[in-house]
Amino acid sequence: AQSVTQLDSQVPVFEEAPVELRCNYSSSVSVYLFWYVQYPNQGLQLLLKYLSGSTLVESINGFEAEFNKSQTSFHLRKPSVHISDTAEYFCAVSETGGSEKLVFGKGTKLTVNP
Amino acid sequence: NAGVTQTPKFQVLKTGQSMTLQCAQDMNHNSMYWYRQDPGMGLRLIYYSASEGTTDKGEVPNGYNVSRLNKREFSLRLESAAPSQTSVYFCASRGREVLSYEQYFGPGTRLTVT
Repeated sequence: AQSVTQLDSQVPVFEEAPVELRCNYSSSVSVYLFWYVQYPNQGLQLLLKYLSGSTLVESINGFEAEFNKSQTSFHLRKPSVHISDTAEYFCAVSETGGSEKLVFGKGTKLTVNP
Repeated sequence: NAGVTQTPKFQVLKTGQSMTLQCAQDMNHNSMYWYRQDPGMGLRLIYYSASEGTTDKGEVPNGYNVSRLNKREFSLRLESAAPSQTSVYFCASRGREVLSYEQYFGPGTRLTVT
């Protein structure tokens, strides 16, 4: 069985500052990794995913995450955040090989202040 | 495409009442899921359906039943609502295309049980 730990429940930052949201996972098998974003009063949207290949994956709005197998981590970073990045971010893991299930972390609420 | 739709958006029930949450997707996805989201708990899987005609329990199935009515629709029923079922409920779906393992989420149903 897999588990996901998001180490920070809340992260406040100022606009244009860099941010890192941390995610560690536990699994005995190979995994796919995902970051989802949830804006207030909305459903979850996929931000980026790692399936295979390059360990650094990027989103269209400037976020990136790096898969580190030895550290079992998939931290999310952005070099300069905007007010509009204020949201809750969820890390999720799925077994490779056709697993139906996603296991989510408890979420990190990012608040970007002016 | 509407993606994943859920009805109703909001609902207030009294303890012991029953209701059905409806979910439909127009992406021809095989797999569908029901989650609940509670503060500080992330998303927890209630039930899922890997294909039309099959359903399986997730992490927190007690107090719920599901029906996969056809490929498009997956409903969640609370037979006798309890205050502990106050939550935001999300439906999701997933296709089987190669390199497309992410789930697509609906906007959610906010349920309050008094």
